[in-house]
Amino acid sequence: GENVEQHPSTLSVQEGDSAVIKCTYSDSASNYFPWYKQELGKRPQLIIDIRSNVGEKKDQRIAVTLNKTAKHFSLHITETQPEDSAVYFCAAVPASKLTFGTGTRLQVTL
Amino acid sequence: GAGVSQTPSNKVTEKGKYVELRCDPISGHTALYWYRQSLGQGPEFLIYFQGTGAADDSGLPNDRFFAVRPEGSVSTLKIQRTERGDSAVYLCASSTGGSTGELFFGEGSRLTVL
Repeated sequence: GENVEQHPSTLSVQEGDSAVIKCTYSDSASNYFPWYKQELGKRPQLIIDIRSNVGEKKDQRIAVTLNKTAKHFSLHITETQPEDSAVYFCAAVPASKLTFGTGTRLQVTL
Repeated sequence: GAGVSQTPSNKVTEKGKYVELRCDPISGHTALYWYRQSLGQGPEFLIYFQGTGAADDSGLPNDRFFAVRPEGSVSTLKIQRTERGDSAVYLCASSTGGSTGELFFGEGSRLTVL
């Protein structure tokens, strides 16, 4: 089955700096890569996704890049704000189910 | 409904008891998923329904776990002879079709087995 690894597990940045979270996956059949944000005690919510026929996608301060050859994808958050503080999960989909990474706790400090 | 609804939000039970967790997906969503999330971990896949049938139940950890979706809408996750290791937040999600689209999660049911 699919195996998704995510790094780092925790990340602390100052407000206004950029944050980068990286994931690797194992199943070359994976063709969809979403990112979910989970605030403390809340449900995971989709923030951005990318499909295998695209190398990069951007939505305001958030961007995701995908390297299918190397089987890795990354989340980039620019101009971080305190409300970006949360746990972020990457995921990969080879067939019918999302396989999530272990999460990155992002802390944006003032 | 407006979103995915899960009940109960919290359940405390004793080891060995039987538990049912309910999920009411967004109206019209044909795909329904159950995930389990332990503290500090990512959601772990349990089972996926497309309509009434379980399209993929490969994530169910053992035969104490079972899920149904008899009418293609509400789903119930059933856990028999609960063990302390079953303690986790059980998340339900629904989507309009397959998994290559946004999953809408419920708030989860926190299960504590004493």
